[in-house]
Amino acid sequence: RKEVEQDPGPFNVPEGATVAFNCTYSNSASQSFFWYRQDCRKEPKLLMSVYSSGNEDGRFTAQLNRASQYISLLIRDSKLSDSATYLCVPYTGRRALTFGSGTRLQVQP
Amino acid sequence: EPEVTQTPSHQVTQMGQEVILRCVPISNHLYFYWYRQILGQKVEFLVSFYNNEISEKSEIFDDQFSVERPDGSNFTLKIRSTKLEDSAMYFCASKGDDTEAFFGQGTRLTVV
Repeated sequence: RKEVEQDPGPFNVPEGATVAFNCTYSNSASQSFFWYRQDCRKEPKLLMSVYSSGNEDGRFTAQLNRASQYISLLIRDSKLSDSATYLCVPYTGRRALTFGSGTRLQVQP
Repeated sequence: EPEVTQTPSHQVTQMGQEVILRCVPISNHLYFYWYRQILGQKVEFLVSFYNNEISEKSEIFDDQFSVERPDGSNFTLKIRSTKLEDSAMYFCASKGDDTEAFFGQGTRLTVV
């Protein structure tokens, strides 16, 4: 079973919309997660860390639901520049990160 | 802001040739990684390096690959006898004890 599962999308939303992605994880011992974003042919960049029940940074809110084993990412007031692939990644300490295929978001004018 | 730098940004090589991809991690980081991403696919882990030795590697990282930290600053990935299917973006990343992993901008390797 995959460590994390995400809807690959694409999610096509108009500018200004609110969009939410979910990520389910299989390892109940996972304590923390990251949301990375990756633009086409660019490196993954850390968007948010989720260490407890959630985190908020401007237009972005991440929530961790341990009982149901999922993490969500909410983006409010979508911008064209938010178009990217969003990757849910379990925290692994010193060990290498494991990436899935992520969820592709396309914000349209 | 400190960053991971990779050179070259794009490398074209003939099949069968050896290539060396270079990375300069963030200076006080201790953990170093190489990943690759074939076009249209997910980022895949290759190898991690700590305390001057490989700490973990994936099944992709076979005898064709090697890593080195020759001078305390550079971290290199050598690919011997390149194949067409080695064409991909190669990302280097580094991490401190209490930091997240930072990625370089990648080297696009094209094997022809």
